[in-house]
Amino acid sequence: GAGVSQSPRYKVTKRGQDVTLRCDPISSHATLYWYQQALGQGPEFLTYFNYEAQPDKSGLPSDRFSAERPEGSISTLTIQRTEQRDSAMYRCASSLADDRAHTQYFGPGTRLTVL
Amino acid sequence: DAKTTQPTSMDCAEGRAANLPCNHSTISGNEYVYWYRQIHSQGPQYIIHGLKNNETNEMASLIITEDRKSSTLILPHATLRDTAVYYCIVLKAAGNKLTFGGGTRVLVKP
Repeated sequence: GAGVSQSPRYKVTKRGQDVTLRCDPISSHATLYWYQQALGQGPEFLTYFNYEAQPDKSGLPSDRFSAERPEGSISTLTIQRTEQRDSAMYRCASSLADDRAHTQYFGPGTRLTVL
Repeated sequence: DAKTTQPTSMDCAEGRAANLPCNHSTISGNEYVYWYRQIHSQGPQYIIHGLKNNETNEMASLIITEDRKSSTLILPHATLRDTAVYYCIVLKAAGNKLTFGGGTRVLVKP
């Protein structure tokens, strides 16, 4: 596609519910990243994929967070048993590869609100 | 990845050059200097990057000191649309995650 797309753009859920966020990267990009951005802060790394492999998930804050990219293209980020502190903007980015310092292109984000 | 230090905020007059400094005194030989910016609620946007030579593109210029311990991003003719938070990031060649830090909040005034 022309750019990175994310859905939904906004999600409101009740505490304890599970949510799944979707990212559709630029079609030629092998590498996909997830970031979490709290209000007034810079984005913080969660995890990334190189095709379907997930070499680094060190930024996931707890085992309630998981991500998948089963066919090496679209990715989902799932948060189980959501808590109010999970409220944030979740941003996805993609780049050509992870073996060089390639530019990352960011999507518009999904704003998650946990009530 | 090396840590960076940037001023918290700065103002700039519309039409003037904006010079944004960044210190990265612990940078190692295989680390690049990247600049991204984030306008209001949009996703971060790539501006420019360099290793040791000065770089220029249609958005900005990047000046890296000879010892590579600091750099300056130059927006040659700032416009109101350049108001944003600017992030200086140091990243290894085989890099993946971007560590954004606090950035510099730039306000371009008419």
